[in-house]
Amino acid sequence: GENVEQHPSTLSVQEGDSAVIKCTYSDSASNYFPWYKQELGKGPQLIIDIRSNVGEKKDQRIAVTLNKTAKHFSLHITETQPEDSAVYFCAASRTEYGNKLVFGAGTILRVKS
Amino acid sequence: ETGVTQTPRHLVMGMTNKKSLKCEQHLGHNAMYWYKQSAKKPLELMFVYSLEERVENNSVPSRFSPECPNSSHLFLHLHTLQPEDSALYLCASSQSPTGGYEQYFGPGTRLTVT
Repeated sequence: GENVEQHPSTLSVQEGDSAVIKCTYSDSASNYFPWYKQELGKGPQLIIDIRSNVGEKKDQRIAVTLNKTAKHFSLHITETQPEDSAVYFCAASRTEYGNKLVFGAGTILRVKS
Repeated sequence: ETGVTQTPRHLVMGMTNKKSLKCEQHLGHNAMYWYKQSAKKPLELMFVYSLEERVENNSVPSRFSPECPNSSHLFLHLHTLQPEDSALYLCASSQSPTGGYEQYFGPGTRLTVT
């Protein structure tokens, strides 16, 4: 089955700097890769996703890149702000198997002001 | 109420107790999920329901028993739990059980088994 590894486990950046979180997956047939953000006391919330037919997707300060050959995808946050501090999870799935997501272990992002 | 709600938010139970977790979604979705979130571990999918039928059961011990009486409500019945079952239990819903649809999560129930 699918296995997703996520790095780093914790990341501290200065406000205004960029943050990059990386994930690798094992199933070359996976074709859907969402990123979720979890704030303290809340459930995870989708912030961006990418499908295997594109290599990059951007939404304001957030971007995701996908390298299918290397089987890895990354989340990029530019101009970080204190409210970006949270736990970020990557996930992967094969959509023909339904909406069954395999998650990474999470990255704690701290943005220092 | 909007989104996905879960009750109770916190629960402490002994190993011989029986309790239930409740989830309700107000989004008109057709699929609901139970996840277990333990510290420093990935979210683990436990069960998936589509239109009130269980479509996924990820080798979860029988001491966890799900129930989906209608498309808006999902329960997780707990009995004779172990201390290692202490975790945050998250409920989620999506428009469809088909792959690629966003999952909307509730805030979770923090369960402590003593």
